[in-house]
Amino acid sequence: QSVLTQPPSVSGAPGQRVTISCTGRSSNIGAGYDVHWYQQLPRTAPKLLIYANSNRPSGVPDRFSGSKSGTSASLAITGLQAEDEADYYCQSYDTSLSGWVFGGGTKLTVL
Amino acid sequence: QVQLVQSGAEVKKPGASVKVSCKTSGYTFTNYYLHWVRQAPGQGLEWMGRISPIGVSTTYAQKFQGRVTMTKDSSTSTVYMELSGLKSDDTAMYYCAREGGAGYGYWGQGTLVTVSS
Repeated sequence: QSVLTQPPSVSGAPGQRVTISCTGRSSNIGAGYDVHWYQQLPRTAPKLLIYANSNRPSGVPDRFSGSKSGTSASLAITGLQAEDEADYYCQSYDTSLSGWVFGGGTKLTVL
Repeated sequence: QVQLVQSGAEVKKPGASVKVSCKTSGYTFTNYYLHWVRQAPGQGLEWMGRISPIGVSTTYAQKFQGRVTMTKDSSTSTVYMELSGLKSDDTAMYYCAREGGAGYGYWGQGTLVTVSS
């Protein structure tokens, strides 16, 4: 049972837009801690996709965007491409656990 | 360029300990915390703890307190993660990752630890 809740899977056709939610609580996202998003392709280490809620590292396409509101955050991917098929994880800090926490991950399937 | 290079795969028996290394290069070692994250087969990411590049400060996830020890060798810019009392469900890929104040921008390649009798 992850502290941050993500849907296990989402899917979309090429060119479409999908969103992945990350629901937390008052001890993490709701307390104002930043949310980061990672993309993990099969058999590779995770890659930072969005940092501090809505910022893209250099090299990440602007098709990827993040937002945060209240105790939740979202990752949006527009113009879906086959190469976006991967697992996506959100991360934040939890004050009651005194440590960092991840969501359970969401598998994105491009139909 | 920034690199985090981890030690090779390990096979251990239940009850044993494992020590995984993460050698960093391409940046000033004392400027960034290093974290350890693990991923069991087919499962999600799990934060284990972090070590300060200065002094002796460590922070461990409650789940691993008493079983995990993170250390560093500043002379070689290397951090270590030792996990004791291994059980079969400790079988996982273990990653080190550099905290940049805004997420983990750099990751090691991962070290597979298999616990089997």
